[in-house]
Amino acid sequence: DSGVTQTPKHLITATGQRVTLRCSPRSGDLSVYWYQQSLDQGLQFLIHYYNGEERAKGNILERFSAQQFPDLHSELNLSSLELGDSALYFCASSMGMIKNTEAFFGQGTRLTVV
Amino acid sequence: QKEVEQDPGPLSVPEGAIVSLNCTYSNSAFQYFMWYRQYSRKGPELLMYTYSSGNKEDGRFTAQVDKSSKYISLFIRDSQPSDSATYLCAIRGSTLGRLYFGRGTQLTVWP
Repeated sequence: DSGVTQTPKHLITATGQRVTLRCSPRSGDLSVYWYQQSLDQGLQFLIHYYNGEERAKGNILERFSAQQFPDLHSELNLSSLELGDSALYFCASSMGMIKNTEAFFGQGTRLTVV
Repeated sequence: QKEVEQDPGPLSVPEGAIVSLNCTYSNSAFQYFMWYRQYSRKGPELLMYTYSSGNKEDGRFTAQVDKSSKYISLFIRDSQPSDSATYLCAIRGSTLGRLYFGRGTQLTVWP
């Protein structure tokens, strides 16, 4: 168990809908990263938050947004869903200190858009 | 040029073999290096982490970093069928920087 919790584990929804994915980082970790992994694709970086502030954006669509709350949990909001958004969504957390900069992943949320 | 290049394989070896997995990276500013193992669409599991050149050993796993060549490796000794998974290298340039991932190498260890 990495200590990173993602909910829900599975989500099935229709095109055009909106969903929210939740991530609770490991205790003490200030950074949260979101990644998308489609079938046969590598991990695509979406966005990074550190202590409540957005630090970096990757290939995140305008229909997607994220935030990190004061208690450090994070949510990824996906709206106007399309079939192509079906994927595994992972979050990872990291402490961000020089000797503790490795990142730990949650088990992911499997999103299926029908 | 991608930040991190990794041969996707697949790689198939017999049980007991030594496995060598490799990545190259483009930016000499990268200084933190990780290897992850991912089983069949589960979350990537951190195997090895290092922030310096040289070797780091943990049981049957050895991570090697050569910053002069921008080349990182993961060696698995006495490979087991349970090692069958996709192995991903990941690199970052700073403590708060994003992680850059290789595409992953799919490894199968057959009994």
